[in-house]
Amino acid sequence: DQQVKQNSPSLSVQEGRISILNCDYTNSMFDYFLWYKKYPAEGPTFLISISSIKDKNEDGRFTVFLNKSAKHLSLHIVPSQPGDSAVYFCAASAPYNQGGKLIFGQGTELSVKP
Amino acid sequence: GAGVSQSPSNKVTEKGKDVELRCDPISGHTALYWYRQRLGQGLEFLIYFQGNSAPDKSGLPSDRFSAERTGESVSTLTIQRTQQEDSAVYLCASSLSRTPTDTQYFGPGTRLTVL
Repeated sequence: DQQVKQNSPSLSVQEGRISILNCDYTNSMFDYFLWYKKYPAEGPTFLISISSIKDKNEDGRFTVFLNKSAKHLSLHIVPSQPGDSAVYFCAASAPYNQGGKLIFGQGTELSVKP
Repeated sequence: GAGVSQSPSNKVTEKGKDVELRCDPISGHTALYWYRQRLGQGLEFLIYFQGNSAPDKSGLPSDRFSAERTGESVSTLTIQRTQQEDSAVYLCASSLSRTPTDTQYFGPGTRLTVL
């Protein structure tokens, strides 16, 4: 039972263009979402998050959009840079009474070509 | 400051042997999580510790898996009688508390290969 899904295993974009990574979830009780970035042989690093009371959160080149009715979120990176090439994981945080464990999607491997 | 560290970075073992993986969280972090990532898949929650509270073991896949944490310091994940399907990268994360908005910081992981 995959509660968080990233249906695109890979994405390739040109440097300078926009990268859009998508994520869907099934549990309407989720109210906090995160994106993590992972380079090979390293642990994931936190990138950006969004609470369900918002529909957008922006941090520099990274913007996360949340559509609660569609149970969908997306990460926009603009402009994309070669250093952004990594695997991106979408995650939902379990409700507080279940601890802060994260439920991850399968990841999308982004390749930004010069 | 020092981040989350894990050891060993790589472990190759034979089927049926026991293995022990270690995690050193960031100092002062009361919450500690174990996840695993099998090839081509996302991270899968295993267990978490919060201070002196009883751990949440709901993600452990079988009774061959166990974990301990002493206070708010080191944690060890033990897998008994390893099977080939246990091959994965085992990741540890720590955060200030279990509050969802407290960022989880991950270690580099231990790559376990069961032959």
